[in-house]
Amino acid sequence: AQSVTQLGSHVSVSEGALVLLRCNYSSSVPPYLFWYVQYPNQGLQLLLKYTTGATLVKGINGFEAEFKKSETSFHLTKPSAHMSDAAEYFCAVSASAGNMLTFGGGTRLMVKP
Amino acid sequence: DARVTQTPRDKVTEMGQEVTMRCQPILGHNTVFWYRQTMKQGLELLAYFRNRAPLDDSGMPKDRFSAEMPDATLATLKIQPSEPRDSAVYFCASGYLSLAGAYNEQFFGPGTRLTVL
Repeated sequence: AQSVTQLGSHVSVSEGALVLLRCNYSSSVPPYLFWYVQYPNQGLQLLLKYTTGATLVKGINGFEAEFKKSETSFHLTKPSAHMSDAAEYFCAVSASAGNMLTFGGGTRLMVKP
Repeated sequence: DARVTQTPRDKVTEMGQEVTMRCQPILGHNTVFWYRQTMKQGLELLAYFRNRAPLDDSGMPKDRFSAEMPDATLATLKIQPSEPRDSAVYFCASGYLSLAGAYNEQFFGPGTRLTVL
């Protein structure tokens, strides 16, 4: 079974500041890991994913995440926040390709001018 | 621009009524998922299909919910009878898993916002 914990349901940063959203997972098998973003009244859009290979994964909109097996973490970062980054972010884990996603509780990112 | 479509986008109904939500997956995708999003429970899987066959519906209340894929271009989620606790946003997502095990991402639809009074 898989589970995901996102530390901090709300994160507030200033425009131009570093964004760090935390995700820890639990999985009985090597995990597939994902970050999705949800804007108000919209569906989820994939930011990035880790399946195998390089542990530092780059995604869209300048986001990246690093898979750290020893820490069971997959934290999302962006060097400089933009106002348009304000949204809800979900970390998710899957046991295999094409399998269901188990989501964390989400982190709402607020960006202050 | 290929995308998952869902209808209706919004549905308000009264307790006890039947509700049917429809999803058109991206053409060629062979895997379809139904998720439900609530403030209390977050995002949770209800059911998913591969090549139109149900693989997992353990997240779905069996007594009132049913999910089907009448054909490869249509997935339906039905609630009968509906209850106020079913109020949520229901998302459909689709993806493609090849015979070799290669898989792309899950593409999500815009969701159906259901309110049961």
